[in-house]
Amino acid sequence: DGGITQSPKYLFRKEGQNVTLSCEQNLNHDAMYWYRQDPGQGLRLIYYSQIVNDFQKGDIAEGYSVSREKKESFPLTVTSAQKNPTAFYLCASSRTSSYNEQFFGPGTRLTVL
Amino acid sequence: AQRVTQPEKLLSVFKGAPVELKCNYSYSGSPELFWYVQYSRQRLQLLLRHISRESIKGFTADLNKGETSFHLKKPFAQEEDSAMYYCALNGQNFVFGPGTRLSVLP
Repeated sequence: DGGITQSPKYLFRKEGQNVTLSCEQNLNHDAMYWYRQDPGQGLRLIYYSQIVNDFQKGDIAEGYSVSREKKESFPLTVTSAQKNPTAFYLCASSRTSSYNEQFFGPGTRLTVL
Repeated sequence: AQRVTQPEKLLSVFKGAPVELKCNYSYSGSPELFWYVQYSRQRLQLLLRHISRESIKGFTADLNKGETSFHLKKPFAQEEDSAMYYCALNGQNFVFGPGTRLSVLP
């Protein structure tokens, strides 16, 4: 399974706090993605990045922010503006945005208390 | 707009029976379609993509542009095929369907 890692596996936060989820890859992939997975809804794209220092909003970007300062890292911040942040978050990467076999991390389960 | 639907949340079949997981899509352009699978306690991973036109683990999927479908089929299901299956479309963005849980009974 290696190649793309997410930490931590479980994360708890109090309402009103921002929290940052880590995603690292050593596959030398240009493109990285963040998804949210909710029961019965599949995966929904939050943000994606095709190259370092560039990123675009996905379908449900409100209440989230990202950065892509390094090729191997794509952290996701869940802000207090996100109305329903409790979910399972998946990070993925692909060689390029047009070569779309995506490789997924193990996920982080965020629970807001 | 692009959308992927998978009408069955849960599909149960007996070992050795044929299985078909349905996927329909809507997209105005030329679609690129995929099936991803998540086995218990494993990561989500690519199963197959329509442009490869290959069979993986006995599964095949044919893109039918007229019916806007990309159904996943296997003639003889095995217990180890039990997993969550997601159909996905690459258009303007990468869009996943809601998933179908396949349960293969002994």
